[in-house]
Amino acid sequence: KQEVTQIPAALSVPEGENLVLNCSFTDSAIYNLQWFRQDPGKGLTSLLLIQSSQREQTSGRLNASLDKSSGRSTLYIAASQPGDSATYLCAVRGSGGSNYKLTFGKGTLLTVNP
Amino acid sequence: KAGVTQTPRYLIKTRGQQVTLSCSPISGHRSVSWYQQTPGQGLQFLFEYFSETQRNKGNFPGRFSGRQFSNSRSEMNVSTLELGDSALYLCASSWTGGGSQPQHFGDGTRLSIL
Repeated sequence: KQEVTQIPAALSVPEGENLVLNCSFTDSAIYNLQWFRQDPGKGLTSLLLIQSSQREQTSGRLNASLDKSSGRSTLYIAASQPGDSATYLCAVRGSGGSNYKLTFGKGTLLTVNP
Repeated sequence: KAGVTQTPRYLIKTRGQQVTLSCSPISGHRSVSWYQQTPGQGLQFLFEYFSETQRNKGNFPGRFSGRQFSNSRSEMNVSTLELGDSALYLCASSWTGGGSQPQHFGDGTRLSIL
């Protein structure tokens, strides 16, 4: 059974700081990995999707890496801003059959202080 | 282009009742997935529908059921409600549900059981 863990559970940083959020998963037989953002009372917004054959994806100030063999992914946020404050969720999609669903971590609550 | 629309946004029910939640996917999207989000368990996959057929199912009791209509709109039904069913229920859509496609989430229905 796939399990996804995100560390830390909460993080508070001053504005402008670069930061890294961590995600680990137990079964390396994944199809892809996605990072999402969730604002309070809202649904999820997809940030980056990394296919299992890729090592990283970039979008603006965000960079996500994937090391499938070690079961790890990181989300790097450069020059953080107060508007980045949200819960960040990592999800892996299994490689097929009944495992094809998305399995989520419990998220990292990020607070960026002005 | 309209996003994923979930109705109602908030719902209050009592134990033993049943409830139906609705999800309208992004126009053209044919895959709809449902998730339950609670503080304790995080986000958990309920089921996925594609072309009116359930394609994948999570580990939830039979009280949780769903269906999809020919216009891709989906409904989720929970019968004999329990206190533990209090949660945010999220719906996500994509073109075909293929692993390379990011899922687009609605803002959810918050269900409270008294």
